[in-house]
Amino acid sequence: NAGVTQTPKFQVLKTGQSMTLQCAQDMNHEYMSWYRQDPGMGLRLIHYSVGAGITDQGEVPNGYNVSRSTTEDFPLRLLSAAPSQTSVYFCASSLDRHGYTFGSGTRLTVV
Amino acid sequence: AQSVSQHNHHVILSEAASLELGCNYSYGGTVNLFWYVQYPGQHLQLLLKYFSGDPLVKGIKGFEAEFIKSKFSFNLRKPSVQWSDTAEYFCALDNTDKLIFGTGTRLQVFP
Repeated sequence: NAGVTQTPKFQVLKTGQSMTLQCAQDMNHEYMSWYRQDPGMGLRLIHYSVGAGITDQGEVPNGYNVSRSTTEDFPLRLLSAAPSQTSVYFCASSLDRHGYTFGSGTRLTVV
Repeated sequence: AQSVSQHNHHVILSEAASLELGCNYSYGGTVNLFWYVQYPGQHLQLLLKYFSGDPLVKGIKGFEAEFIKSKFSFNLRKPSVQWSDTAEYFCALDNTDKLIFGTGTRLQVFP
């Protein structure tokens, strides 16, 4: 039981490049979410999913895409990276919304 | 729209001092409330949660929180802090399938 696994842990991108942040969980959790953490702003919700095939936008969805083809995986795609997307990204999952398990994060720098 | 406010951005205490971190939320319906902790360089971990019932909830590591519906508050307390409590603390609200965070309070405890 690995919990929530995020890859990569660190990434540097050039402006305009695209990439996918991976998130996988092995707990059969229906609820999955992506957050970005910036100093002084807490964690802001980017996208979330309540089950395979169902996704919705959070507070700051612009510039990001998600899909949920399986219960286990919830990748986050940056379409055209911008310096404003420099942040730490966390994925979280929950079985029943009674508590969320977080991944260890991806630190992304866009230059 | 629901929101969470944490007015204490940075708190500095000496060991053995008592702690109270404020959390207020904005939502008129039934809410699930959480406190998470993030130790330096780590991911978020659940401290405690409230869904219903006894408004005084106890969590791990000696933390507790009191839900006061009339004040829309869910303040975190600990009678005597330790140096190892140095971390960032986040209050969060779960409603309609997504978890919304406050901006966090950075706690520094000095020996």
